[in-house]
Amino acid sequence: GQQLNQSPQSMFIQEGEDVSMNCTSSSIFNTWLWYKQDPGEGPVLLIALYKAGELTSNGRLTAQFGITRKDSFLNISASIPSDVGIYFCAGADAGGTSYGKLTFGQGTILTVHP
Amino acid sequence: EAQVTQNPRYLITVTGKKLTVTCSQNMNHEYMSWYRQDPGLGLRQIYYSMNVEVTDKGDVPEGYKVSRKEKRNFPLILESPSPNQTSLYFCASRRLAGGPSPDTQYFGPGTRLTVL
Repeated sequence: GQQLNQSPQSMFIQEGEDVSMNCTSSSIFNTWLWYKQDPGEGPVLLIALYKAGELTSNGRLTAQFGITRKDSFLNISASIPSDVGIYFCAGADAGGTSYGKLTFGQGTILTVHP
Repeated sequence: EAQVTQNPRYLITVTGKKLTVTCSQNMNHEYMSWYRQDPGLGLRQIYYSMNVEVTDKGDVPEGYKVSRKEKRNFPLILESPSPNQTSLYFCASRRLAGGPSPDTQYFGPGTRLTVL
């Protein structure tokens, strides 16, 4: 099946630092999603991207849909301790919100030191 | 309260003993999906359903069955579980179109399955 390569696998940062993570694929996706998973919980949607080149923000989070449709990145500015968790990218073949099949990256484990 | 519920939350079983993990949502969502989460592999989609009586394979459907006879329920069936199906399983649902945030996929609390 399709695969998404997410990097880095883990990050250890100081509170206040900016964070950047990305996902790449060998095939095209028409929808990109970014999720965060807190310990013991299910993932929660952070940002959804539907158009190549699209840049979308949600508070301190900014994500971009790569122009080639084969990558996406997520930036977190001025990290705080509650940003700790696992961040996942996900891609769908179908465009818009009508997708069914969803492929996830392996996740980036973020640790923030106060 | 809008939620996705899964039962059981924890299950230890033996190889070959059929089991069902139930999933139910109370938000009248069209879309439901099952995922498994394994360390270093992230989440992998097992099956999904776009509506009642409509199901399709995700990336790792082998060894699993699903059914969608009612809109609110989407059980995951392991006919003959094997140790490589030991994993953390999540059910999720979302609205497909219309209303606020059709893209937001709501996840259940997870079911931790161990197959000995």
